[in-house]
Amino acid sequence: AQSVTQLGSHVSVSEGALVLLRCNYSSSVPPYLFWYVQYPNQGLQLLLKYTSAATLVKGINGFEAEFKKSETSFHLTKPSAHMSDAAEYFCAVSDRYGGSQGNLIFGKGTKLSVKP
Amino acid sequence: KAGVTQTPRYLIKTRGQQVTLSCSPISGHRSVSWYQQTPGQGLQFLFEYFSETQRNKGNFPGRFSGRQFSNSRSEMNVSTLELGDSALYLCASSKRTGTGNTIYFGEGSWLTVV
Repeated sequence: AQSVTQLGSHVSVSEGALVLLRCNYSSSVPPYLFWYVQYPNQGLQLLLKYTSAATLVKGINGFEAEFKKSETSFHLTKPSAHMSDAAEYFCAVSDRYGGSQGNLIFGKGTKLSVKP
Repeated sequence: KAGVTQTPRYLIKTRGQQVTLSCSPISGHRSVSWYQQTPGQGLQFLFEYFSETQRNKGNFPGRFSGRQFSNSRSEMNVSTLELGDSALYLCASSKRTGTGNTIYFGEGSWLTVV
């Protein structure tokens, strides 16, 4: 069965500092991987998606993530944090094959705080 | 391009009542999924519909049901509401492409059961 582990339920960084949010997955076959962001009282917004075209995936708002098969990781980074990045971030995995691509397995989420 | 639209955004129900939530997917998307989000359990998959057929179902009791119409719009219903059903219910739509599905979420429906 697939699973996702996000290390650190809360991460705090200073404005302008590097953002690193960790995600490890468990899957018997290479999955599709996603990062979503959720601002307070809102739905989920897709940041980026890995499908195997390239291991380094660039997303919106300056975020990127690197797929490392050997480490079963898909960590999210941003070189310089902005106050507007404060939100909760979710890593998710779905099947690459079969009819269950609409079934996302989510991690528990990481709340990012940005200090001025 | 309009996104995923969910109605109502907020509602309060009493234990034992039932509730119906509605979701209009992005135009051209035939797959609709529903998720429940709570502080304790996080984001959990409820079910997925494709072309009016339930394709996948999560581990929820039979009180949770859904359906999809020919125009891809979807509804989910929760009968005999319990306090623990208080949650944010998120609808997502997707369209299969050569690089797999990209799944887009709506703003959610906040359900409070009192």
